[in-house]
Amino acid sequence: KQEVTQIPAALSVPEGENLVLNCSFTDSAIYNLQWFRQDPGKGLTSLLLIQSSQREQTSGRLNASLDKSSGRSTLYIAASQPGDSATYLCAVRRDTGNQFYFGTGTSLTVIP
Amino acid sequence: NAGVTQTPKFQVLKTGQSMTLQCAQDMNHNSMYWYRQDPGMGLRLIYYSASEGTTDKGEVPNGYNVSRLNKREFSLRLESAAPSQTSVYFCASKLSGGVGLFFGSGTQLSVL
Repeated sequence: KQEVTQIPAALSVPEGENLVLNCSFTDSAIYNLQWFRQDPGKGLTSLLLIQSSQREQTSGRLNASLDKSSGRSTLYIAASQPGDSATYLCAVRRDTGNQFYFGTGTSLTVIP
Repeated sequence: NAGVTQTPKFQVLKTGQSMTLQCAQDMNHNSMYWYRQDPGMGLRLIYYSASEGTTDKGEVPNGYNVSRLNKREFSLRLESAAPSQTSVYFCASKLSGGVGLFFGSGTQLSVL
């Protein structure tokens, strides 16, 4: 079974700081990896999706990287803002089947 | 552009009662999923449907049944609710191929 881990569970940074969120997975046979944002009491919003053949994806101030061989992905947030405060989750899809495996998330607080 | 719609948003049940959570998507997606989210445990897959007419068990199927009514709709039924089923339930969908998941806004269920 694929195990997905996100460390740290919580992170607090001052506004304007660049930060990195981590996601690690145990089985490198993945199809893709997706990063989500979840606001309190809300559903999950997709931020970035990286196919297994890709090394990184960028959207605005967000950059996600993928290193399959080491079982790691990072989400880089540049110039953080209070509006970035949320829980960030990663999900891995295996290269066979339709199942996705989620990490428990990193709760980010950006302090004005 | 509704995306994935879940009803109801909130529900309180007594132990032993039954109910059905409804999910519909208007994106012509093939696959649909039901997850539950519990504190500290991340999202866990209950059931999924890779295509109309098929359903498969996920990680935590016990106590639940599902119906893929048509391509748009995927319902989750609790036949005899238990306090352990208190959780937030999310429906998600995706197209075939290497694209990611789209989520509904969730149903917060409490079983007393």
